[in-house]
Amino acid sequence: QSVLTQPPSASGTPGQRVTISCSGSSSNIGSNTVNWYQQLPRTAPKLLIHNNNQRPSGVPDRFSGSKSGTSASLAISGLQSEDEADYFCAAWDDNLDGVVFGGGTKLTVL
Amino acid sequence: QITLKESGPALVKPTQTLTLTCTFSGFSLSSRGVGVGWIRQPPGKALEWLAVIYWTDDTRYSPFLKNRVTITRDTSKNQVVLTMANMDPFDTATYYCAQSADLWNAYLPYWGQGTLVTVSS
Repeated sequence: QSVLTQPPSASGTPGQRVTISCSGSSSNIGSNTVNWYQQLPRTAPKLLIHNNNQRPSGVPDRFSGSKSGTSASLAISGLQSEDEADYFCAAWDDNLDGVVFGGGTKLTVL
Repeated sequence: QITLKESGPALVKPTQTLTLTCTFSGFSLSSRGVGVGWIRQPPGKALEWLAVIYWTDDTRYSPFLKNRVTITRDTSKNQVVLTMANMDPFDTATYYCAQSADLWNAYLPYWGQGTLVTVSS
């Protein structure tokens, strides 16, 4: 059971906009920044969004992040087949004094 | 260019102690704000954070594994070592090390390729 809650799966067709949610509590998302990671099959996770809504260099602007209260969201617009991957949210938890991850969302491009 | 690479045994027996080394380049663990953490992922499952060590030598551990895990650093060798005691088949996972780019944050911009550790007799 992960501390941060994500839907196990999401799907969309090419060109569509998809949103993945991440729900936490006051000790993690409510008081710290949220980061998102993309994990393509059989590869290491890759940082997609940091500090709630900042894209590292090289990440397309089709990816965007937002945070409100104790929840966060990752939006992917103009969905492409190469976006098919697992997506994880993460944040520091003040009570656990460490990093907590979401259970991951498997995105399927139909 | 920042790179990290994990090394260690691919197979350990139950009750043994696992020792993994993360060798990194492109940054220094004596630079302010920098840390190195360990994360693992059982086959087909979610990521699980294990520990982090910062440039101050400050450390934090997952409370779910706290008594079994130790993280240390050798700044001169650009290495961070994770030891995990009393290994169990449930510890079978791919173990990743990653650069932590901010204090008390889940901001991990660079990851190693991971190393699969199987626990079996």
